[in-house]
Amino acid sequence: DVKVTQSSRYLVKRTGEKVFLECVQDMDHENMFWYRQDPGLGLRLIYFSYDVKMKEKGDIPEGYSVSREKKERFSLILESASTNQTSMYLCASSFVTAPAFFGQGTRLTVV
Amino acid sequence: SQKIEQNSEALNIQEGKTATLTCNYTNYSPAYLQWYRQDPGRGPVFLLLIRENEKEKRKERLKVTFDTTLKQSLFHITASQPADSATYLCALGDDKIIFGKGTRLHILP
Repeated sequence: DVKVTQSSRYLVKRTGEKVFLECVQDMDHENMFWYRQDPGLGLRLIYFSYDVKMKEKGDIPEGYSVSREKKERFSLILESASTNQTSMYLCASSFVTAPAFFGQGTRLTVV
Repeated sequence: SQKIEQNSEALNIQEGKTATLTCNYTNYSPAYLQWYRQDPGRGPVFLLLIRENEKEKRKERLKVTFDTTLKQSLFHITASQPADSATYLCALGDDKIIFGKGTRLHILP
């Protein structure tokens, strides 16, 4: 079975902290994605990557950066966490033009 | 900009009936469209993918249609069961996959 693993299920951070969310996939997928999901707003794409060291902005990249140094790992970085970044963060991976497989999600609370 | 619209309100269907969910999109000509299921507190799970040259796709009790002229996809669950209650998401994209907000489906026993 495809496995996409996010490093934390729940996370509480303070305003201004630098936060790292890690995601690892074991299916050699080219594409990896970071979304956030908020009530009433659905899944919104933050960044995606189609290859190692490659990244593309999604619809809401402000306040975030990403890193993909290895094919299986895609990290989301909150440079200076703010309360409006409290959300459910979902990582996904896929082959090109193929379905996406999601991790279990990280519920981040910024206080 | 690209936009995906799904029924924003919850859909209540009696057990055993067919549930039909709608996905409309604008400013896009996708090569394929996907449907996912999401349960509370969990990540979405892939259900079906339909390509632009396919009019209909089936998987067990699920059926998806894709009308590129109307820019619409319909998702059907036949002989619905309470276990089918979930949020169903429509998604478009080749490399960059974007999602609709989803439709909450409640199957009433």
